[in-house]
Amino acid sequence: DSGVTQTPKHLITATGQRVTLRCSPRSGDLSVYWYQQSLDQGLQFLIQYYNGEERAKGNILERFSAQQFPDLHSELNLSSLELGDSALYFCASSVGPTGEEGYTFGSGTRLTVV
Amino acid sequence: DAKTTQPTSMDCAEGRAANLPCNHSTISGNEYVYWYRQIHSQGPQYIIHGLKNNETNEMASLIITEDRKSSTLILPHATLRDTAVYYCIVRVLVDYGGSQGNLIFGKGTKLSVKP
Repeated sequence: DSGVTQTPKHLITATGQRVTLRCSPRSGDLSVYWYQQSLDQGLQFLIQYYNGEERAKGNILERFSAQQFPDLHSELNLSSLELGDSALYFCASSVGPTGEEGYTFGSGTRLTVV
Repeated sequence: DAKTTQPTSMDCAEGRAANLPCNHSTISGNEYVYWYRQIHSQGPQYIIHGLKNNETNEMASLIITEDRKSSTLILPHATLRDTAVYYCIVRVLVDYGGSQGNLIFGKGTKLSVKP
């Protein structure tokens, strides 16, 4: 158990639908990162939040959004889902904004869009 | 542009040292070398990182050449549980945000530890 909790572990939904993935960072960590891993794209950085504020944005689609709440948990919202959004979604956390000490990853949410 | 070059795959006998090379010939003076691994569909796991000096922790050793253009991750006594994809990543630590400071994964090296 890495200390980073992601729910749900598995999610199956239909095209066009909207889902929310949840992440609780390791205790004491203020940064949360979201990554997408699909078979053809590998691990792609989506977005980072630090202490409630968006800090960095990567290859995140406009249909996707995220936020970090005052209790530091984060949610990734995926809307108008397409078949190509099927992937593993990982959340990671770190103490500070740079993650110098290394990121701690959760076990991921496997999203299947049918 | 890829910042690192790693072999696609490597084999290692159980109990022997696994030496995973990484080429980062365009590394800048303020970029760190990080290693992570991912065991089949699990979340990536941080292993070690360094800037100039060699580093060692309970998991592995990191050897960085003097010119910093390449590095080697050493797993001293590989076990079957070390079978994973190993990622070598160079990154700068920025205070002002921006995606260039984040962890960008390449394709990594698939290490297979065999009995």
